[in-house]
Amino acid sequence: GEDVEQSLFLSVREGDSSVINCTYTDSSSTYLYWYKQEPGAGLQLLTYIFSNMDMKQDQRLTVLLNKKDKHLSLRIADTQTGDSAIYFCAERGGATNKLIFGTGTLLAVQP
Amino acid sequence: KAGVTQTPRYLIKTRGQQVTLSCSPISGHRSVSWYQQTPGQGLQFLFEYFSETQRNKGNFPGRFSGRQFSNSRSEMNVSTLELGDSALYLCASSLLAGGHETQYFGPGTRLLVL
Repeated sequence: GEDVEQSLFLSVREGDSSVINCTYTDSSSTYLYWYKQEPGAGLQLLTYIFSNMDMKQDQRLTVLLNKKDKHLSLRIADTQTGDSAIYFCAERGGATNKLIFGTGTLLAVQP
Repeated sequence: KAGVTQTPRYLIKTRGQQVTLSCSPISGHRSVSWYQQTPGQGLQFLFEYFSETQRNKGNFPGRFSGRQFSNSRSEMNVSTLELGDSALYLCASSLLAGGHETQYFGPGTRLLVL
């Protein structure tokens, strides 16, 4: 089956790096995504990684994929208060082609 | 390009009523997906439409239905509303590119069932 898990909360201080972790179960996943949701808003695509890659960097964001352990992480460098939001990990199932989301991690950035 | 738009932005209904939500995808996008977001269940996939055909479906009862028009706009209908249908309903559109579908989400419609 397809299941995606994330921790519910992460608290960091402004200027530090944040690392949000995600695990998934579908070994045939094709793409994995990170979305950001700010209060009262829809989801904003931050970045994605193809399942045959192990790293992708995009400005302050670094995505690491360990396909063997089915572990995905999002690192945000120099975290700012504007980064406070819920971050969702999602995987596109290889068999079903459905997009399955994790529970979301609330990132709280303290000044 | 304009983003994904959803109307209305919020709705208040009572149990037993029915509701129709609308989604206009990004111009040129032909795939529209619907999701339900609740505090208890998180974000759950409802269904996906492509070229007016339902391509994929989540595990929701038959009270939840949808359709897509020739201009790619989509509607979602929920009949016989229950209290548990209170949620944020998100629509996302996709541009097919080499088999990879990046979904762009709208702001959502907040539905409250009393």
